[in-house]
Amino acid sequence: RKEVEQDPGPFNVPEGATVAFNCTYSNSASQSFFWYRQDCRKEPKLLMSVYSSGNEDGRFTAQLNRASQYISLLIRDSKLSDSATYLCVVKKSNYQLIWGAGTKLIIKP
Amino acid sequence: AAGVIQSPRHLIKEKRETATLKCYPIPRHDTVYWYQQGPGQDPQFLISFYEKMQSDKGSIPDRFSAQQFSDYHSELNMSSLELGDSALYFCASSTWTSGSIQETQYFGPGTRLLVL
Repeated sequence: RKEVEQDPGPFNVPEGATVAFNCTYSNSASQSFFWYRQDCRKEPKLLMSVYSSGNEDGRFTAQLNRASQYISLLIRDSKLSDSATYLCVVKKSNYQLIWGAGTKLIIKP
Repeated sequence: AAGVIQSPRHLIKEKRETATLKCYPIPRHDTVYWYQQGPGQDPQFLISFYEKMQSDKGSIPDRFSAQQFSDYHSELNMSSLELGDSALYFCASSTWTSGSIQETQYFGPGTRLLVL
């Protein structure tokens, strides 16, 4: 079993819809969590850090459920430009990130 | 704002050759990470350096070595290249910022290595 697991998708979603991804992690001692976005053949870019209380940034909302060891990302009013792969990332140590395989999102007009 | 710089952006080598990838972190970042991403795969952590010392080690093959220099740039040296080494190699940098809750890694554009 991978340390960080995500549904690879793809999620095909009409423009304007709301879409949610979940990610589960196996190490209960993990303290830091992130969502990164990666466009095809480009570097991963930080989308959001995920805080214990949950956090929101515009159309994006991230939640952390420590009891069930999962992280979620909600995208509201999806745009064509949201099409990308969304990577769930968990910090394993001070220096090492563990990555999920990514969830591919395709927004259709 | 300045970002992580990687060079070269593209590299073609033959089997058994050597390659050196370079990474220049964001100014004032003291930690550098190397990742390998194969086609359709998630990034795999190779190795990291903090203040010029190796801080963590992941799935880096013995054929590879890396170091961080006094100006904080890092080099990944790859020897006896194999076909399976063909991948996108990312460098990321970070630093703790006073008052921040968690450290964020910022990625460079990557070096695409093709081994023939």
